[in-house]
Amino acid sequence: QVQLVESGGGVVQPGRSLRLSCAASGFTFSTYAMHWVRQAPGKGLEWVAIISYDGSSEYYTESVKGRFTISRDNSKNTLYLQMNSLRAEDTAVYYCARARAPFDFCLDSWGQGTLVTVSS
Amino acid sequence: DIQMTQSPSSLSASVGDRVTITCRASQGISNFLAWYQQKPGKVPKLLIYAASTLQSGVPSRFSGSGSGTDFTLTISSLQPEDVASYYCQKYNSAPFTFGPGTKVDIK
Repeated sequence: QVQLVESGGGVVQPGRSLRLSCAASGFTFSTYAMHWVRQAPGKGLEWVAIISYDGSSEYYTESVKGRFTISRDNSKNTLYLQMNSLRAEDTAVYYCARARAPFDFCLDSWGQGTLVTVSS
Repeated sequence: DIQMTQSPSSLSASVGDRVTITCRASQGISNFLAWYQQKPGKVPKLLIYAASTLQSGVPSRFSGSGSGTDFTLTISSLQPEDVASYYCQKYNSAPFTFGPGTKVDIK
């Protein structure tokens, strides 16, 4: 079965960096686009970024452009989110999720999430 | 960018009631619309994709309709286990924006 396990969350000071990882198993990781989605405490879902199956294309929500970088290592079945210049408003649970099919970008499998808290 | 809105923001209904949630896109998105359910403290779950296709394993009391800019999620007979927040999402192109959510409770 599909399994996505995020790691790397924690408490970080404003302006600092953090890298999240998402280990994938149970499917052929290299053939699926992957997303990051976040949810601030008590708030709704916010789509953050997507990367194509081969890493050749990336897209971001406006508020993280230039600060966050999504990447993947298909040899390690792992998705990453490098977060730089973190702000208090980046505090959220970060989920990785799989796109349902090639060229079908709805999210059919989600990890359990990892909490990022940006605070001094 | 295309904006997504949902109504109502919350609702309370009785067990067995028919519940309808509306999602609107600020521009046409064809049928690239998904619905997700998030129960309290849990991970979001895909319910419906392509506006009206039920994801495998989802009870048949859930249904979706619409195309272009206006979409609906219907629960034909509300059950206690349906207490959750429901989100629509456009996925025709980036950014893959979610709606603000609708919280469903039992009266």
